[in-house]
Amino acid sequence: DGGITQSPKYLFRKEGQNVTLSCEQNLNHDAMYWYRQDPGQGLRLIYYSQIVNDFQKGDIAEGYSVSREKKESFPLTVTSAQKNPTAFYLCASSIPAGTGHSNYGYTFGSGTRLTVV
Amino acid sequence: SQQGEEDPQALSIQEGENATMNCSYKTSINNLQWYRQNSGRGLVHLILIRSNEREKHSGRLRVTLDTSKKSSSLLITASRAADTASYFCATVSGNTPLVFGKGTRLSVIA
Repeated sequence: DGGITQSPKYLFRKEGQNVTLSCEQNLNHDAMYWYRQDPGQGLRLIYYSQIVNDFQKGDIAEGYSVSREKKESFPLTVTSAQKNPTAFYLCASSIPAGTGHSNYGYTFGSGTRLTVV
Repeated sequence: SQQGEEDPQALSIQEGENATMNCSYKTSINNLQWYRQNSGRGLVHLILIRSNEREKHSGRLRVTLDTSKKSSSLLITASRAADTASYFCATVSGNTPLVFGKGTRLSVIA
């Protein structure tokens, strides 16, 4: 079955530590996205990538970094520069708008809950 | 930046009743989408309505779009306890990623 896998489901970070969240998809989607969700809030865009080896900052990119070396994978690193990283992180993929297939929904992973200890 | 604003923030109904959620947005859009999120889980795509469409149906879901008022509504008919979740609207403008609202928390009481 095609889908998006996020791991781990729960992650604990110590102060000053970098951590990496994994996101893998086998849907053959070109575009991938990282969103952050705080309690009772909507989703805010961190980074997105519409093609391999290219990515763009979203609304809240500070303190985060990404890479897109393979079509299937879009890992997110939460660096020590992110002062308030405790949140629920969601990865998604889609057929990007630029191909003319703009009228498609996103497929989301099941999320990673990151807590600072 | 958050484009959509859902209303109400929370809604509690009895099983079998209809649930209506509204979404307002600020700029012109290509399409508007609705998603459901069960507690602690990822989002699930429910329905997409293009800017040139006014109404769309999918099973017990009915979505309307009024581009002159920059608003949309999601109607869930004959609600069930399993419909308990948060519902988000999200908009697409140009070639930019989805922008989400803050969501409506729906509780369906059996």
